[in-house]
Amino acid sequence: QPVVTQSPSASASLGASVKLTCTLRSGHSSYAIAWHQQQPERGPRYLMKVNSDGSHSKGDGVPDRFSGSSSGAERYLTISSLQSEDEADYYCQTWGTDVRWVFGGGTKLTVL
Amino acid sequence: EVQLLESGGGLVQPGGSLRLSCAASGFTFSSHAMSWVRQAPGKGLEWVSGISDSGGSTYYANSVKGRFTISRDNSKNTVYLQMNSLRAEDTAIYYCGKSAGRDYYGSGSHFDYWGQGTLVTVSS
Repeated sequence: QPVVTQSPSASASLGASVKLTCTLRSGHSSYAIAWHQQQPERGPRYLMKVNSDGSHSKGDGVPDRFSGSSSGAERYLTISSLQSEDEADYYCQTWGTDVRWVFGGGTKLTVL
Repeated sequence: EVQLLESGGGLVQPGGSLRLSCAASGFTFSSHAMSWVRQAPGKGLEWVSGISDSGGSTYYANSVKGRFTISRDNSKNTVYLQMNSLRAEDTAIYYCGKSAGRDYYGSGSHFDYWGQGTLVTVSS
């Protein structure tokens, strides 16, 4: 079982909100994770770190529309007031002992 | 402003070698772990190799262990990835990532800056 798992896809309408989930494997439920955004044909961009208590710290220039939260072994990325440029792949990332830096499989977000 | 600039990618035949470089600026390079992360065409992000702030600890994904070597020169603010015995499945964009912390574990384990990537194509 991977250290972190994500749903492969999500969709929401322009102007709406969407909540993406990253689930930590048993034994890692207290870990912080990071969210990274990858727009089409571009490199990854760090969005934020989400701690187990739900606190989060954002990267440079990340809009207020992006927020993070936590519940148990789940870490969330909520995007409100969706814009067309939010259509991207979103990856969660943490650390492990076998694979030192770990990525989830990514969630492809479609803005309808 | 933090900048990470990768170079060294290109077309190489199976079994060949390449050396990637990542020149860093805008932060205290010697205080942060660094990693290489790749993305094969149409695939997700895959961590490849990482190195602690001092260079004293190095880490590899199983898929590259024994073939790739990561190193850093803190006097030049540069991290390297020597890639030997390249295979078709190593074809990918290779990104340099800066960790918030000094090593892979703990509160600073996440990548907080990325480079723009360099393309490695392994083909005959």
